[in-house]
Amino acid sequence: EPEVTQTPSHQVTQMGQEVILRCVPISNHLYFYWYRQILGQKVEFLVSFYNNEISEKSEIFDDQFSVERPDGSNFTLKIRSTKLEDSAMYFCASSGAGSGNTIYFGEGSWLTVV
Amino acid sequence: KQEVTQIPAALSVPEGENLVLNCSFTDSAIYNLQWFRQDPGKGLTSLLLIQSSQREQTSGRLNASLDKSSGRSTLYIAASQPGDSATYLCAFMIYNQGGKLIFGQGTELSVKP
Repeated sequence: EPEVTQTPSHQVTQMGQEVILRCVPISNHLYFYWYRQILGQKVEFLVSFYNNEISEKSEIFDDQFSVERPDGSNFTLKIRSTKLEDSAMYFCASSGAGSGNTIYFGEGSWLTVV
Repeated sequence: KQEVTQIPAALSVPEGENLVLNCSFTDSAIYNLQWFRQDPGKGLTSLLLIQSSQREQTSGRLNASLDKSSGRSTLYIAASQPGDSATYLCAFMIYNQGGKLIFGQGTELSVKP
C-alpha cells in the first residue's frame, strides 16, 4: 500500500540552527501538508501546498517556516533559527485529486531543540 | 473559533466489548470528517472519512456516523480487541480551507485481554 515517508525520524538540533524535514508524499497525490504535534497536545495544521504554491497556512506558519517541492517527489519543511518551543513531532501528509479526499499521514519526524 | 472536543479522554474496556467514541465540533460548515488512529510515538492512520453529505461509513468492525445539525460524530468499535488499544482522533475539514484539518485531543483507548 502506498505510504507517505518522512526523514529523519528523529533529529536533535541546537537552538538557533536551521532544520530541514523531508517527505515523500504518495506518488499520484496533488495536495501536500505539514502538521505538528507538541508532546501531549493536539495535532495542529501548519500549511497546505498545491500546484507549487501555499494554499493555506496557519498563524503558526510565520517567516521562520518555509516549504518547498524541489523535484517531482520530495516535499520539505524548513525551520530557520529553531527555538525550544519548536520541539514537536512534525507530520507530513498528502491527499489525492481533491481536498475532500482522505488525507494520509507519514510516521512523523520528531524534532528536539536543545 | 473552530473547536473539536472528544469524550471521553480515556477509556478502558475488557476485550470483546462494543464501544462508542464521541466527537463534537463547533462549525456546521464542515466539508468532511476523518477518524484516525495513533499508536504511541507513531503517525496517524486514517480509519474512515465521512463526507458532509453522508451519514455514516463502515470499515470492518468500525462504523462512523456524522450528524452535522448537532455537530457530532461517533466512532463505534465492535467486539474490541487488545490490538485496538491506541489513541483515536477525529478531525474535520472546512470547505475551501486548503485541506486544513482541525483535530480533537483524542480518546486513549485501552482494551484489556
